[in-house]
Amino acid sequence: QQQVKQSPQSLIVQKGGISIINCAYENTAFDYFPWYQQFPGKGPALLIAIRPDVSEKKEGRFTISFNKSAKQFSLHIMDSQPGDSATYFCAASKGGNNDMRFGAGTRLTVKP
Amino acid sequence: KAGVTQTPRYLIKTRGQQVTLSCSPISGHRSVSWYQQTPGQGLQFLFEYFSETQRNKGNFPGRFSGRQFSNSRSEMNVSTLELGDSALYLCASSSGQPNEKLFFGSGTQLSVL
Repeated sequence: QQQVKQSPQSLIVQKGGISIINCAYENTAFDYFPWYQQFPGKGPALLIAIRPDVSEKKEGRFTISFNKSAKQFSLHIMDSQPGDSATYFCAASKGGNNDMRFGAGTRLTVKP
Repeated sequence: KAGVTQTPRYLIKTRGQQVTLSCSPISGHRSVSWYQQTPGQGLQFLFEYFSETQRNKGNFPGRFSGRQFSNSRSEMNVSTLELGDSALYLCASSSGQPNEKLFFGSGTQLSVL
């Protein structure tokens, strides 16, 4: 069963706009929530990650917002650029192990 | 520092055959995890090896197996291939410490005909 639900499936944003991708999880034992970016022909690359004791984490143009009570977290990409066009995956894991449960992915297209 | 290297990049096999995929982790990394990526099921965890021992296992049939060598290189084997095994197989390495960054290779694209 899918333990992490991601939306939207695809997203088109104008250059300079804000891209927002949402994820919801079911298992309250999850304690690590990373976001990955994947370009065609490449493996996923870690963008940013958050632990549930923090409600927000920002790294450059990328921000994770985390709502523990709602079991939801989201990725915000500020000032989106054409080079950000990729597929983004949220994920969750528990107990510090590498058994990541991934969302289905969001294909982001940033139009120039 | 060289990244995670996966070989071969592409493979074509027929049903019933077996296949072995190879992964060389980043130097110094002791953990290697394997994932299967398909358009329908997305990214699914297969197993993780740490210091030559399987540390975690996903929900895949026994046809999927792996091993890790003393130099941390890992191999994944799929026996009695089925059409549904067609996928991108990704290897990720890390130090093995909790919640440390996973570094993914570019994957092996397996096609089963």
